[in-house]
Amino acid sequence: KAGVTQTPRYLIKTRGQQVTLSCSPISGHRSVSWYQQTPGQGLQFLFEYFSETQRNKGNFPGRFSGRQFSNSRSEMNVSTLELGDSALYLCASSQSGILETQYFGPGTRLLVL
Amino acid sequence: GENVEQHPSTLSVQEGDSAVIKCTYSDSASNYFPWYKQELGKRPQLIIDIRSNVGEKKDQRIAVTLNKTAKHFSLHITETQPEDSAVYFCAASKGWVTGGGNKLTFGTGTQLKVEL
Repeated sequence: KAGVTQTPRYLIKTRGQQVTLSCSPISGHRSVSWYQQTPGQGLQFLFEYFSETQRNKGNFPGRFSGRQFSNSRSEMNVSTLELGDSALYLCASSQSGILETQYFGPGTRLLVL
Repeated sequence: GENVEQHPSTLSVQEGDSAVIKCTYSDSASNYFPWYKQELGKRPQLIIDIRSNVGEKKDQRIAVTLNKTAKHFSLHITETQPEDSAVYFCAASKGWVTGGGNKLTFGTGTQLKVEL
């Protein structure tokens, strides 16, 4: 099976802009989670989607949002970008999310100038 | 919320030696504990995981132990090799059944360096 894919892999934006990142899970996987990775804060959970519904949400401001489509592909959106949003954004997929292995994508590296 | 502490932050061992990384968690409802290895510029990859109904799990040179009473779990790597050099993350999850969804709370990572 193909692994988790993310697009784009690299992105440069300026403050105030918005950005949309995409994640395609492993075929058959219905749960997609998003994480932000930074040197200072480590890996932090953003949100999880399962069957097009947000099932869990981390402690991030409302500028961070996401959605999941019927084919389980997921997108996350960050509006009004801030310098501190510069990070590696990782998505991970699992079949149903009940104590299952999560497989990570390669990430999208976002740089906000 | 859940908090996971990981120690040490850096670990340097000689090739062939063993390496141990320890994590503690705060939420007693956590019941799934994966370990991920992340090489520079690459995605985190699962190396081993353990569920709360098991005390120990081994996979070749890698083992994980879980002490639910003390709320800590450890990663053991024996006969270390240079290719084991990477950042290792522990994580904890309550799982969907207990309302945690699939959220993983990660430790801060351990930079393991295996020296020749």
